[in-house]
Amino acid sequence: DTVMTQTPLSLSVTPGQTASISCKASQSLLQTDGKSYLYWFVQKPGQSPQLLVHESSSRFSGVPDRFSGSGSGTDFTLKISRVEAEDVGIYHCMQGIHRPYTFGQGTKLEIK
Amino acid sequence: EVQLVESGGDLIQPGGSLRLSCAASGFTVSSSYMSWVRQAPGKGLEWVSIIYSDGDTYYTDSVKGRFTMSRDNSRNTLYLQMNSLRVDDTAVYYCARFWGHWGQGTLVTVSS
Repeated sequence: DTVMTQTPLSLSVTPGQTASISCKASQSLLQTDGKSYLYWFVQKPGQSPQLLVHESSSRFSGVPDRFSGSGSGTDFTLKISRVEAEDVGIYHCMQGIHRPYTFGQGTKLEIK
Repeated sequence: EVQLVESGGDLIQPGGSLRLSCAASGFTVSSSYMSWVRQAPGKGLEWVSIIYSDGDTYYTDSVKGRFTMSRDNSRNTLYLQMNSLRVDDTAVYYCARFWGHWGQGTLVTVSS
């Protein structure tokens, strides 16, 4: 199975600062179409997961441009610029190319 | 507007069976790929199964032979038939469409 490793597992950020989360896959997520099938979700307290970024760097509909995804192959990053109080939650990466699809452990974002 | 509403979760004894439903609106289930994802209490997300528009289904190893994913096109509803339930199947079960839309989840508790 493809192991997804997220770092850090927790993050405390001052409002207005930038948060960065890394996700590394144990094998390449690059498909022959040139896309890396890496997804980022946020799960706010008591809620279902919400898609932020698909195919590594494409923001989902309605997601603020403060959220940006980058990376290809095995190394990926989610950056949250100008962090706001409403960004609190657990951020998950997921690979969607090798079955079984697998998630990272999750990164808990707190606001200072 | 896309909506997914799961139901069917319950408290059930080990070895028992349960069928979860995911009622969809705002799109056609048969033309989408749909997944079940679960989250054990206090734990991360785990992909369970997927059904593609052509009807092909795939499962994570721990549920193969016990869980069956299906859909009823006339009801626009997705199902997860769960047999031989184990204590470690205890989780909130979410259905998701194309990863961009998720239901609110339904809780399955397997305990004697």
